[in-house]
Amino acid sequence: KNQVEQSPQSLIILEGKNCTLQCNYTVSPFSNLRWYKQDTGRGPVSLTIMTFSENTKSNGRYTATLDADTKQSSLHITASQLSDSASYICVVRNSGGGADGLTFGKGTHLIIQP
Amino acid sequence: DAGITQSPRHKVTETGTPVTLRCHQTENHRYMYWYRQDPGHGLRLIHYSYGVKDTDKGEVSDGYSVSRSKTEDFLLTLESATSSQTSVYFCAISEKLSYPYEQYFGPGTRLTVT
Repeated sequence: KNQVEQSPQSLIILEGKNCTLQCNYTVSPFSNLRWYKQDTGRGPVSLTIMTFSENTKSNGRYTATLDADTKQSSLHITASQLSDSASYICVVRNSGGGADGLTFGKGTHLIIQP
Repeated sequence: DAGITQSPRHKVTETGTPVTLRCHQTENHRYMYWYRQDPGHGLRLIHYSYGVKDTDKGEVSDGYSVSRSKTEDFLLTLESATSSQTSVYFCAISEKLSYPYEQYFGPGTRLTVT
């Protein structure tokens, strides 16, 4: 069964600090991996999308890494800001799937404290 | 929210009553999706559409039906609402399935069944 596991479940850090969120997946065959940010009461918004040939991808202070061999991804947030408080969701698409070929993680709830 | 609106944004209804949620897009994207989001679960696919009048079931389709009579509108109907259908419902759209095409999510509808 395709699965996406995220850790930690929740995280609290001080403003200005860095943090790293983890995503492990068992989706096969792999096509691509996405990271979404979901603010409270809003829909998810895409941060990055990566294929197996991409090891690192940045979007401002957000840097995602992907190791397709170990089936792991991480999202690193640099110099955190209060606006980074949100849930971060890892999503993996399998190449054999159609419109229903996405597996969602449960998310990491990140709180940035002043 | 990438030209996606959902209505209503909040609804409280009683067990056994029918409920229809509407998703409207202005992006002319081919694919539309309905997800539900519950604590302790990742986003779960209810139904999706790959064109006008072309729909299919997702992971948690029991108790739900959908219709798509126009490219821009995708309706989700709960024929007889139950308390287990209390959830936040998200509509999403995508132009294509392949990389690098992404899914864009609407703002969500919070449904409470009493």
